Amino acid sequence: LAKTTQPISMDSYEGQEVNITCSHNNIATNDYITWYQQFPSQGPRFIIQGYKTKVTNEVASLFIPADRKSSTLSLPRVSLSDTAVYYCLVGDMGLTGGGNKLTFGTGTQLKVEL
Amino acid sequence: DAGVIQSPRHEVTEMGQEVTLRCKPISGHDYLFWYRQTMMRGLELLIYFNNNVPIDDSGMPEDRFSAKMPNASFSTLKIQPSEPRDSAVYFCASSSVDRASYEQYFGPGTRLTVT
Repeated sequence: LAKTTQPISMDSYEGQEVNITCSHNNIATNDYITWYQQFPSQGPRFIIQGYKTKVTNEVASLFIPADRKSSTLSLPRVSLSDTAVYYCLVGDMGLTGGGNKLTFGTGTQLKVEL
Repeated sequence: DAGVIQSPRHEVTEMGQEVTLRCKPISGHDYLFWYRQTMMRGLELLIYFNNNVPIDDSGMPEDRFSAKMPNASFSTLKIQPSEPRDSAVYFCASSSVDRASYEQYFGPGTRLTVT
């Protein structure tokens, strides 16, 4: 299993940049890193995925160092509606074999205030 | 598309009863996942299928749990007999790897309470 660890909670204010880090020390070569957002009483929603270096989309950036043992989700200029739990998901979907089983991180509760 | 559909949304049952959760994935998706979420254990992958074939069921807690995918548009997760510790929210998700993406689309979940 790709054991994953995240901070339990983070607080921020509207308009600030938030960085949430996930530690995954035993990541395998074929594992991908994906981040999800979850609101209460809803299923997780995909934010971004990456394998190495930096990936950016319209809502977030994902930074992955060369050793891939951690990843950082960056949310630019957060708003109140970004208050949610954020999860990293690490593993291999079996496309090439040899990777770890898909494992969700412990989740980080982000609270954004005015 | 209606997204991933799960039924029922809520299920309350007594210990020892059989419970069947249902999932309809997004049309065209070739991966289907079953997850369980609890406060104590977080989100756990129970089993996933590729093209209706189970690929990894190592997360299934014990023999009381079973999952099937008889066709590309339907899957079931069955618990028999159910126990209070099975109380959780069960999510179904689907994905397509045609775009080499790991993006999974989650359903709204089934909240199971076993008394």
